[in-house]
Amino acid sequence: AQTVTQSQPEMSVQEAETVTLSCTYDTSESDYYLFWYKQPPSRQMILVIRQEAYKQQNATENRFSVNFQKAAKSFSLKISDSQLGDAAMYFCAYGLQGGSEKLVFGKGTKLTVNP
Amino acid sequence: NAGVTQTPKFQVLKTGQSMTLQCAQDMNHEYMSWYRQDPGMGLRLIHYSVGAGITDQGEVPNGYNVSRSTTEDFPLRLLSAAPSQTSVYFCASSYSGGAYGYTFGSGTRLTVV
Repeated sequence: AQTVTQSQPEMSVQEAETVTLSCTYDTSESDYYLFWYKQPPSRQMILVIRQEAYKQQNATENRFSVNFQKAAKSFSLKISDSQLGDAAMYFCAYGLQGGSEKLVFGKGTKLTVNP
Repeated sequence: NAGVTQTPKFQVLKTGQSMTLQCAQDMNHEYMSWYRQDPGMGLRLIHYSVGAGITDQGEVPNGYNVSRSTTEDFPLRLLSAAPSQTSVYFCASSYSGGAYGYTFGSGTRLTVV
């Protein structure tokens, strides 16, 4: 079974600085998808970024980028120029296309942004 | 432009009571899921559906039932509420969940006393 591990329960960053959240996963598949979701205090789950495993290029969405290391099964999220609104829980997730189409989530990292 | 609508947003139940959490989506998505979120545990899959009439169990299905009679609706039933079911529940839907991720509802905070 696929598993997703987020080893940092909590992280903090100063406003305008850069922070990296870690995620590792375990799978025997070669073609899969990885996601980072943000959950602010409002509780809403928001998709931040998506990576296709067959693509070597790291995904980027504005201030959010990933470092995808397929051989190491690592998928870290980098937030540049951190803003107060980035404070949230961040969840890493893994998915396969075909079959159940379900997502497997990590336990999350709580990010605090200090002014 | 409703997306995924969950009702109610908050609920308090007594032990042994039953209730149904409602979930509806207007995006014509085939894939729908129910997750529960507990502190330090992330999101755990309860039940999921790959289309109308098709459901399957996830990681933590005990004490919950689902059905999918239409593409739009995917209700979650608590058969006999227990304090261990105190949690935040999320419904989610997707065109192709494994590849494109899911759109989530705003969640239901359930307390069982």
